[in-house]
Amino acid sequence: EAGVAQSPRYKIIEKRQSVAFWCNPISGHATLYWYQQILGQGPKLLIQFQNNGVVDDSQLPKDRFSAERLKGVDSTLKIQPAKLEDSAVYLCASSPGGANFGETQYFGPGTRLLVL
Amino acid sequence: KQEVTQIPAALSVPEGENLVLNCSFTDSAIYNLQWFRQDPGKGLTSLLLIQSSQREQTSGRLNASLDKSSGRSTLYIAASQPGDSATYLCAVKGNKLVFGAGTILRVKS
Repeated sequence: EAGVAQSPRYKIIEKRQSVAFWCNPISGHATLYWYQQILGQGPKLLIQFQNNGVVDDSQLPKDRFSAERLKGVDSTLKIQPAKLEDSAVYLCASSPGGANFGETQYFGPGTRLLVL
Repeated sequence: KQEVTQIPAALSVPEGENLVLNCSFTDSAIYNLQWFRQDPGKGLTSLLLIQSSQREQTSGRLNASLDKSSGRSTLYIAASQPGDSATYLCAVKGNKLVFGAGTILRVKS
């Protein structure tokens, strides 16, 4: 079974530029998550999708971050414009979904973003 | 708001030693607690998941316990090996998955 795929793996941009990350979850997984992991901290949930609907985006800085999951499969996360403090690893995860709150999440390798 | 704390922040041990990593959380209303491993430049790998109704889970040399009432969990690693060197993250699942900052483990050969 293929795991969660993310691209690009690394990205370096200057502040005020825009950037986009892509995630392809495990086939058949209904729930998709984006996390931000700043160096020395644990991952923090940015947004959760159930199929193509948003379940939780309470910690997403909506003035500069946006995410979409068209057709309930792939997802993109965009930052526009980027700030220095956005330098982090952006992790995508997926889970089978549904009402089972006890299920585990499967994580991709992450995209490491450096904003100069 | 759920807060997860992991102690120690870093640990260095000689190969073969048994060790314990600690995790505490502030809100006991959780569905489960999970321990992850993170290697440099890689994503997270789930090691053990303990449902809120369970007390412990074991996998090979790893044993995790959960005391929901006191808001504590421990990850016990037996006979540590250099390949165990990684960052270990604890996460609790309420309405979202909340992570601790992790314990950086180095096992010296």
